[in-house]
Amino acid sequence: TQLLEQSPQFLSIQEGENLTVYCNSSSVFSSLQWYRQEPGEGPVLLVTVVTGGEVKKLKRLTFQFGDARKDSSLHITAAQPGDTGLYLCAGVLSNAGNMLTFGGGTRLMVKP
Amino acid sequence: DAGITQSPRHKVTETGTPVTLRCHQTENHRYMYWYRQDPGHGLRLIHYSYGVKDTDKGEVSDGYSVSRSKTEDFLLTLESATSSQTSVYFCAISGTGELFFGEGSRLTVL
Repeated sequence: TQLLEQSPQFLSIQEGENLTVYCNSSSVFSSLQWYRQEPGEGPVLLVTVVTGGEVKKLKRLTFQFGDARKDSSLHITAAQPGDTGLYLCAGVLSNAGNMLTFGGGTRLMVKP
Repeated sequence: DAGITQSPRHKVTETGTPVTLRCHQTENHRYMYWYRQDPGHGLRLIHYSYGVKDTDKGEVSDGYSVSRSKTEDFLLTLESATSSQTSVYFCAISGTGELFFGEGSRLTVL
């Protein structure tokens, strides 16, 4: 069992649809990050959230940190083929310095 | 883009042979990390370094060793490779909490 559970593991949708990816834990995190990874490349940071209840928007992507800082979600509006990739959440435990723990990832495919 | 390069990018080796992966950075960041990525497991930390000659174990360190003799280089060594170490290995660097990743090294152990 991973410390951070992501769901769904796989998601295939049509262009223009909306979707939400979840990142859940029973532990409290001091901060949480979302990364996107494309095939053959390393992950790239999308956003960092640090405050419970925080909402950040990045164009069509909306990130939310749970009030209790145990979970997070990523919502994509009107998905485009360019959003295709592996989405990873990663958190810093409240008592673990600055070490990141990664979730298992959500693989998203957006079909034209 | 962060200046971080990994070598080799691809390697096929046989069980029992030693393997060294190299990570080189030009950003002068203090922290360097080695992760492995396997389907369904996300990224798992192998070892990390917080300065020259300062290293520590991650969650999956068995069978791996590291060295950092200078700021810019962080080496990952598999003393005797096993098939369970077939994976994609990523190096990452960090200065202020955000991780910058290399492009990965795909290792196949036959």
